[in-house]
Amino acid sequence: GDSVTQMEGPVTLSEEAFLTINCTYTATGYPSLFWYVQYPGEGLQLLLKATKADDKGSNKGFEATYRKETTSFHLEKGSVQVSDSAVYFCALAGGSYIPTFGRGTSLIVHP
Amino acid sequence: EAGVAQSPRYKIIEKRQSVAFWCNPISGHATLYWYQQILGQGPKLLIQFQNNGVVDDSQLPKDRFSAERLKGVDSTLKIQPAKLEDSAVYLCASSLWVEGGAFFGQGTRLTVV
Repeated sequence: GDSVTQMEGPVTLSEEAFLTINCTYTATGYPSLFWYVQYPGEGLQLLLKATKADDKGSNKGFEATYRKETTSFHLEKGSVQVSDSAVYFCALAGGSYIPTFGRGTSLIVHP
Repeated sequence: EAGVAQSPRYKIIEKRQSVAFWCNPISGHATLYWYQQILGQGPKLLIQFQNNGVVDDSQLPKDRFSAERLKGVDSTLKIQPAKLEDSAVYLCASSLWVEGGAFFGQGTRLTVV
């Protein structure tokens, strides 16, 4: 069945470091892809999305590009802040796909 | 714009008891989802509604779980009887269209003892 695989956490970085959180998916077609973020004590929030191959989603300095050839949707940010500390979830949905989430990757940013 | 409302926030019950969760989606959102999130895992879809019709409930344990969305607005999820392994956070979400992404409520943390 469809699945989403994320890199294991926690990812620990110093402030202003470059961030990459890897996400790959398995699906028979071309679902829409999403990144959600969960800050401590809060609910999940949609961070960014891409609905077709080669689309780039972006928000709050975060970016991810829908790569059909590698079935990937890696999350990147050029300079992280302490306030970016959260759990990040990669997900797929749309069309006939059951919305499917990865296990989440915890990000800890130190001053 | 008001977000997705869920209640209660926390619930502790004994195994074999029943429990119900309530969700009010964002106004105008036709699609409503219930997810189960076990500690350390991503959300797992239990049921997806489009208006008051079920789109997918393939991962809903129908021997003990039930959900309804009367009038295509708010929804309830029920567990009867509860098992220890049902301890999780139950999330409700809604969306205008699936490809646009979903808006989540704060969730209900259920502990079964």
